[in-house]
Amino acid sequence: DIVMTQSPDSLAVSLGERATINCKSSQSVLYSSDSKNYLGWYQQKQGQPPKLLISWASTRESGVPDRFSGSGSGTDFSLTISSLQAEDVAVYYCQQHFSVPFTFGPGTKVDIK
Amino acid sequence: EVQLLESGGGLVQPGGSLRLSCAASGFTFNNYAMSWVRLAPGKGLEWVSVISGSGENTYYAGSMKGRITISRDNSKNTLSLQMNSLRAEDSAVYYCARAALSNCYSPTDFWGQGTLVTVSS
Repeated sequence: DIVMTQSPDSLAVSLGERATINCKSSQSVLYSSDSKNYLGWYQQKQGQPPKLLISWASTRESGVPDRFSGSGSGTDFSLTISSLQAEDVAVYYCQQHFSVPFTFGPGTKVDIK
Repeated sequence: EVQLLESGGGLVQPGGSLRLSCAASGFTFNNYAMSWVRLAPGKGLEWVSVISGSGENTYYAGSMKGRITISRDNSKNTLSLQMNSLRAEDSAVYYCARAALSNCYSPTDFWGQGTLVTVSS
């Protein structure tokens, strides 16, 4: 199984400041045939279902604010919120869909400082 | 509008069985792979199972393999998860989720509200 790790476990950032979450996979999730990283980022607010923010490591989903961005390739990825807003308080997960089981990272809780 | 409506959750005794269902609407159901993902109290998201759009391919998490069966009825736009030999650690909110493509190896782009499963005597 591919093990996904995230850092930090939690972070508190002032409104308008940058937040960066890191995600690492135990093996590469880059598929050579299509040159895509099989990695997604999800946001889950309290009491709500998860929401896909970023697909294929760096493609922002429709309707997702452009302050959210994803980067990385192979085994190392990051999600950046360029200017944290109050509505961004949530737990953020990365997930690989490169090989089954499609494992999630443990999550990073983002709060306002 | 894409909608996924889960049902079938509830309280079940250890060793018991439960069948979860997910009614899909607002999209061409057989064009998309479908998944189940769970969130246990105080824990993170855990992927459970996925089925391809045609239903031909199915995959399971090791923690539940042998105890669960995922299936779909494309004529009724319904996804199901049969769960047997349930344990206390299976207690969680179970989400039905749509993949972005018909093949299983694609991101999950839409989630239902979830149904709560509690395994307790």
